[in-house]
Amino acid sequence: KNQVEQSPQSLIILEGKNCTLQCNYTVSPFSNLRWYKQDTGRGPVSLTIMTFSENTKSNGRYTATLDADTKQSSLHITASQLSDSASYICVVAVFSGGYNKLIFGAGTRLAVHP
Amino acid sequence: NAGVMQNPRHLVRRRGQEARLRCSPMKGHSHVYWYRQLPEEGLKFMVYLQKENIIDESGMPKERFSAEFPKEGPSILRIQQVVRGDSAAYFCASSSSGRSSYEQYFGPGTRLTVT
Repeated sequence: KNQVEQSPQSLIILEGKNCTLQCNYTVSPFSNLRWYKQDTGRGPVSLTIMTFSENTKSNGRYTATLDADTKQSSLHITASQLSDSASYICVVAVFSGGYNKLIFGAGTRLAVHP
Repeated sequence: NAGVMQNPRHLVRRRGQEARLRCSPMKGHSHVYWYRQLPEEGLKFMVYLQKENIIDESGMPKERFSAEFPKEGPSILRIQQVVRGDSAAYFCASSSSGRSSYEQYFGPGTRLTVT
C-alpha cells in the first residue's frame, strides 16, 4: 500500500531558529518527491521537487533532502520567520497509468512564535 | 496571469441537496485534478481529467460524485444528495502535462459544509 508518513505531527519553534521535518514513504513505482507549504485556508504551494537521482534541493531558506535507498526525505528550514507558520506536506508522485498520481502525507503543522 | 481559480470558496448545503464546485485551471493548462481534504487529514486524490476526458477516477466514490471538464468552461465537481460526511475542503489543481516532474498548481479550495 502506498503511504507517506510525516513527523512530527506538529512543532513549535521560536523565530530565528532552524527546524527539520521528516518524511518516510513506501511508494512504488517512485517518480518524484515534493514538499508543499499550505497556509491555513489556502491551497498547497510547491517548495521543491526532487527526482530519484537528486539528493538535495534548496529554495531560499528551505532545503529538502532525499535518500531513495532508505525512502526518507527531510525539509530543513533555516532562520525561521513568523510567515513560515503553516502546514508542510510531503508528497510522493507515483507514475501509474501514464501519469503522476500524488500521494500526500498528513503534514507537519509548524508554528513560529516571536 | 491568474492562478487556478475555484468558486465558490465556501458552500453550505443541507443534506440531500446538490453541490457544484467549479475550477478554472491556469491559462494554457489542460490537465485538472480534484482532491479532497478532510479535517486533520492529508489531501486525497479523487479524479484526473483532461479536456472532455476522464483519465482516472479511481479516487472518486462510485455514487453521487461526478466530474467533468468540458471543451469550453471550467471543470465541475458535482456531488448529489450530499451527506454530512461530504463536509471537507475540495482542492483543484492544474498542470500543463501529466508527465513526470510537471508541477501541479493548486487553487484556494472550496470548503463545503453540509448541515
